[in-house]
Formats: sequence, C-alpha cells, structure tokens
Amino acid sequence: AQKVTQAQTEISVVEKEDVTLDCVYETRDTTYYLFWYKQPPSGELVFLIRRNSFDEQNEISGRYSWNFQKSTSSFNFTITASQVVDSAVYFCALSGGNSGYSTLTFGKGTMLLVSP
Amino acid sequence: NAGVTQTPKFQVLKTGQSMTLQCAQDMNHEYMSWYRQDPGMGLRLIHYSVGAGITDQGEVPNGYNVSRSTTEDFPLRLLSAAPSQTSVYFCASSGGGMGQETQYFGPGTRLLVL
Repeated sequence: AQKVTQAQTEISVVEKEDVTLDCVYETRDTTYYLFWYKQPPSGELVFLIRRNSFDEQNEISGRYSWNFQKSTSSFNFTITASQVVDSAVYFCALSGGNSGYSTLTFGKGTMLLVSP
Repeated sequence: NAGVTQTPKFQVLKTGQSMTLQCAQDMNHEYMSWYRQDPGMGLRLIHYSVGAGITDQGEVPNGYNVSRSTTEDFPLRLLSAAPSQTSVYFCASSGGGMGQETQYFGPGTRLLVL
C-alpha cells in the first residue's frame, strides 16, 4: 500500500524566513509521480509541481524549490524568503499503485503560517 | 476553459436524505475521481473512473455511489446521508496519458449533514 507522511502538522515563520516542508513516501512501484498542492484559505487546491520517479533533478521556480531524493524516499519543498501570501496548507501526494496514475494518495498536509 | 466545475458549493442535509454532487470537466480528460477532505486527514479517495462506463472504489467508498455515463460528468450520490459524511468534497480529473498525470481539482462542495 502507498503512504505519504507529512510529519509537520503546522509551521509558523516570520516573513522573509526560509522554510522547508517535509514529505516522505512509501510505494512498491518503480514508476510513480509525486506532487505538491497548495490550499490557500479560500479552499481551492492549486497544483504546484509534478515529479516522476526517474527524474531526481532538483527544481527551482522563483522562490520555490523542490528536493527529490529516492534514496530517502523524500520530496521536500522549500520556500525562500517567505511571504504572507504563502500562508496555506500544503499537501504532498503520490500517484501509482492499484489505480495506476488515475488517483492520488495524499499526506495529511502541513499548515504554514507566515506572519508579517 | 472552465476546467473542473462542481455544484453545489454548499449544501445542508438532514440525516437520511439523499443527494447528488455534480462534477463536470471540459478538458476531455479520461480520469475522474472524488475525494473527501476532513480536518487533519488530508484528502481521501472515495471513487474513481478511468473512462466512461468504468468506475472503481477508493479508500472510503461506503455510503457513496457513482456512475460515469459520459466523459464529461462524474456525479457522486449520497444514498442516505449521515453526520459522518459532513466534509468537503473535491472532484478531480486528469488526462490519463503519458505526461498527463497531473490531477486538476474543482473548487469543492462543502456538505453539512445534521
């Protein structure tokens, strides 16, 4: 069975601090995809990034960066110079398993609060 | 492009009532799925479909029914609502082909069962 663990339930930082959100996954698949989604206070789910299991290159998009390490089954997300607008719940998710790539297994989410 | 749409946005039901949550997508996606979100639980899969006429159960299917008669629509039916079904429901769709694995979510339906 697949599993995604986000051990940090809630993180509070002050604006301009860097913050890393941890994600550890378990799967028996050799091919799988990892995702991060953002859920702002308005409630919608916003796609941030997709990574496949064959691509371990780190990725940077503006203030966001992702570190994928198969050796430790981790897919961590770092926000550099955090801003108040980054306040949201962030979900890590994994696709694959019995339903193929048609569904996701989610972690329980990390609530990030950025204060001015 | 509307993407994934869900109706209603908010609904209050009494225990035992039935209702249908609507989900539609205009991206010609093969894969559609329903999740529920409860505090501290993340999102959990209820039912999913890999194409018209094909559905399967997810992690928490009890009390819910689905069918997929068209590519565009994937309604979720609550047969006899219970307070435990109070939740936020999200519908999602994805292309199903190589490089189309990203799931896009609707805005959600907030359901309160009294």
